[in-house]
Amino acid sequence: GAGVSQSPRYKVAKRGQDVALRCDPISGHVSLFWYQQALGQGPEFLTYFQNEAQLDKSGLPSDRFFAERPEGSVSTLKIQRTQQEDSAVYLCASSSDWGQETQYFGPGTRLLVL
Amino acid sequence: GENVEQHPSTLSVQEGDSAVIKCTYSDSASNYFPWYKQELGKRPQLIIDIRSNVGEKKDQRIAVTLNKTAKHFSLHITETQPEDSAVYFCAASFNDMRFGAGTRLTVKP
Repeated sequence: GAGVSQSPRYKVAKRGQDVALRCDPISGHVSLFWYQQALGQGPEFLTYFQNEAQLDKSGLPSDRFFAERPEGSVSTLKIQRTQQEDSAVYLCASSSDWGQETQYFGPGTRLLVL
Repeated sequence: GENVEQHPSTLSVQEGDSAVIKCTYSDSASNYFPWYKQELGKRPQLIIDIRSNVGEKKDQRIAVTLNKTAKHFSLHITETQPEDSAVYFCAASFNDMRFGAGTRLTVKP
């Protein structure tokens, strides 16, 4: 079946612009995770949803970052007033449960803020 | 929260040799420990995982060991091949997952 998909794959933004990154999880997966991966680093946890409920947003670096999953399927990560330090790959992952189940990753969105 | 440390950051081996990557974690409640392989520009792919109720798991040339008392776990790759070259990440999870910083493995033909 189809895996996790993300769009856009690449995004170039001018500093100060707002961006929206989309994640389509594997159908039926209740849990969805967002990670930020800087060059040469491991994925850093941002936030996670179980269905439409955002159960943990402790990893969001500032109040410019906002994520939603209104119908418990597709999720959007929004970054307002982008800064250069926001440049990274944003990975989405989904799993059939939380915590103890395999997370399947999407291809990521590479964000470059100029 | 959970903190995962991974060593070494880079590892170079000759084809056919074994490679070992080690991770430690801080949260004793963590009970799921996956390993991911990430090739350049690609998404992380799960290669093996272990849960806290077992101490070792093997899948062909790949094995993972877990010492819950010491809070460390290791990835072992035997008979390495050039296509094993990639960045490997360990992770530890209870409610959410925390990743190590990664090990860049290079297998020289």
